[in-house]
Amino acid sequence: GAVVSQHPSWVICKSGTSVKIECRSLDFQATTMFWYRQFPKQSLMLMATSNEGSKATYEQGVEKDKFLINHASLTLSTLTVTSAHPEDSSFYICSARISGRYGEQFFGPGTRLTVL
Amino acid sequence: GENVEQHPSTLSVQEGDSAVIKCTYSDSASNYFPWYKQELGKGPQLIIDIRSNVGEKKDQRIAVTLNKTAKHFSLHITETQPEDSAVYFCAATKAAGNKLTFGGGTRVLVKP
Repeated sequence: GAVVSQHPSWVICKSGTSVKIECRSLDFQATTMFWYRQFPKQSLMLMATSNEGSKATYEQGVEKDKFLINHASLTLSTLTVTSAHPEDSSFYICSARISGRYGEQFFGPGTRLTVL
Repeated sequence: GENVEQHPSTLSVQEGDSAVIKCTYSDSASNYFPWYKQELGKGPQLIIDIRSNVGEKKDQRIAVTLNKTAKHFSLHITETQPEDSAVYFCAATKAAGNKLTFGGGTRVLVKP
């Protein structure tokens, strides 16, 4: 149980294009999902908290117009990197919290984004 | 806000030995402390967690201890195996906030 998937697992795009990453909770409902970014050999950096049916809450320093988050259902959240540039290349990981249970977060397998 | 420090940053052990990773946190209101294992190119996997009303929790070869007074918690892996080699992250959060604050990670290498 508590499986989170991400799609795609990796993507290569040209500078200036937009990329959408999907995060799905496969066997549970997730009122809240989280998006993280991870650089090589570093810890996870929280980008935003995504709540179903409402606007995402972004961490300080994260551009909300660049990283668009949509949490349209209890099992799906999407992160769109708009007008991607090489500095956006990173490992993006989502996590989901089981509705009604605090604390526990289950992570997806991550998406490797490379912007050329 | 919460700050979590994790030590050591790297740990090399011989197969069969024990490994211990320690984390300290700053916010006394934090009450949930998970540990994650991350293998190369993959997302973190929850391996064990502990809540503030418990001092110790064990699951086979893995155990976590919590000292609320000193505000630190530790991960203990016994009888280490090569497949235990990975990066381990500790984290802390308050029940209401749900945001996890992660430690810097420990790269564990188990030598056969």
